Amino acid sequence: KQEVTQIPAALSVPEGENLVLNCSFTDSAIYNLQWFRQDPGKGLTSLLLIQSSQREQTSGRLNASLDKSSGRSTLYIAASQPGDSATYLCAVRRRRDDKIIFGKGTRLHILP
Amino acid sequence: EAEVAQSPRYKITEKSQAVAFWCDPISGHATLYWYRQILGQGPELLVQFQDESVVDDSQLPKDRFSAERLKGVDSTLKIQPAELGDSAMYLCASSLVNDRVYGYTFGSGTRLTVV
Repeated sequence: KQEVTQIPAALSVPEGENLVLNCSFTDSAIYNLQWFRQDPGKGLTSLLLIQSSQREQTSGRLNASLDKSSGRSTLYIAASQPGDSATYLCAVRRRRDDKIIFGKGTRLHILP
Repeated sequence: EAEVAQSPRYKITEKSQAVAFWCDPISGHATLYWYRQILGQGPELLVQFQDESVVDDSQLPKDRFSAERLKGVDSTLKIQPAELGDSAMYLCASSLVNDRVYGYTFGSGTRLTVV
């Protein structure tokens, strides 16, 4: 059974700091891994998608890495801002049934 | 930028009443998904459509939930009768057919509260 775990469940850091969010998954047979942002009471916004053949993707201050063999991904946020406060979810698309499995998310709070 | 449209944004209903949610995917996206997200959890797939056909509804509580996509474009998810445990965010997403390159696009969701 594919499980996706995100650690920590919640994180508070002062504005301006760099930070790393972690995502681990048990089944490495995946097509891709996607990071989403979710603001309170809102839908999901896609941040980065990494194909299984890729090692990392970058968008602005965000960098996502993928180590499929160890079942891990990290989302690196540089120079954090209060506007980055949200819940960050990772999701893997598994090969055996083409389903997307989500983690429970990390609630991030950037302190002004 | 193309968006997945959902309505209503919020819905409060009494237990045992019927409730329906609507989703309009991005134009040209043949694959449509309904997810349920309980507070503090990740989204879980309820049903997946390919055009007008159901591809996967194994996690849909069929005694009370139904979903349709009659013309292969917009979709409706219905709950009848609603129960207290159905309170959650209901998210719709769409993607290109068999697309594993660009991923999913999600709508803003419908927040359901059953009282």
